[in-house]
Amino acid sequence: DAGVTQSPTHLIKTRGQQVTLRCSPKSGHDTVSWYQQALGQGPQFIFQYYEEEERQRGNFPDRFSGHQFPNYSSELNVNALLLGDSALYLCASSLPGELFFGEGSRLTVL
Amino acid sequence: QKEVEQDPGPLSVPEGAIVSLNCTYSNSAFQYFMWYRQYSRKGPELLMYTYSSGNKEDGRFTAQVDKSSKYISLFIRDSQPSDSATYLCAMTTFSGGYNKLIFGAGTRLAVHP
Repeated sequence: DAGVTQSPTHLIKTRGQQVTLRCSPKSGHDTVSWYQQALGQGPQFIFQYYEEEERQRGNFPDRFSGHQFPNYSSELNVNALLLGDSALYLCASSLPGELFFGEGSRLTVL
Repeated sequence: QKEVEQDPGPLSVPEGAIVSLNCTYSNSAFQYFMWYRQYSRKGPELLMYTYSSGNKEDGRFTAQVDKSSKYISLFIRDSQPSDSATYLCAMTTFSGGYNKLIFGAGTRLAVHP
């Protein structure tokens, strides 16, 4: 059983560009959350999707948007990239009582 | 003030030592407490999960929660070089599913032979 898979694993963008990150949840998990982890910091909650709707949102600007598909997979989109958006972006899938993280997508903004 | 405070270390110990990692928190609504281990450039891996005050043991790991003091700890016995990683505490409320996790900054641990 594959765990949480994320793609791409690494990517480099320039300021002002847009990026899309993808996440496939663990089999049977219906809830997907996205976190941003800056270097040397703990992960920070961006938002959570359940039944294709954004259920909770952290303190992130509207440049960060997402989507969940009927098969529970999810995308994170970031527009107008800033240097400060450089981070490891983690996807977590969950059911009540269990939550698993993927290995993350490392975004570098130049 | 951050909701969850965690000393970033680094913490360096010899192999076989007992390691104590700690977090404090300010939000009394937190009910679920977790410890994650994160190796360099990898995603966090769940080590321990508790939802009540007291101790929970799993092999060499013991998680301790003191809700009255808003203080949680992770103890690692007989530490091994393979335990060298960043340890993240995380906590959440619960409302019919996983709410957002609030993480500490992580403590970097190095266990040397």
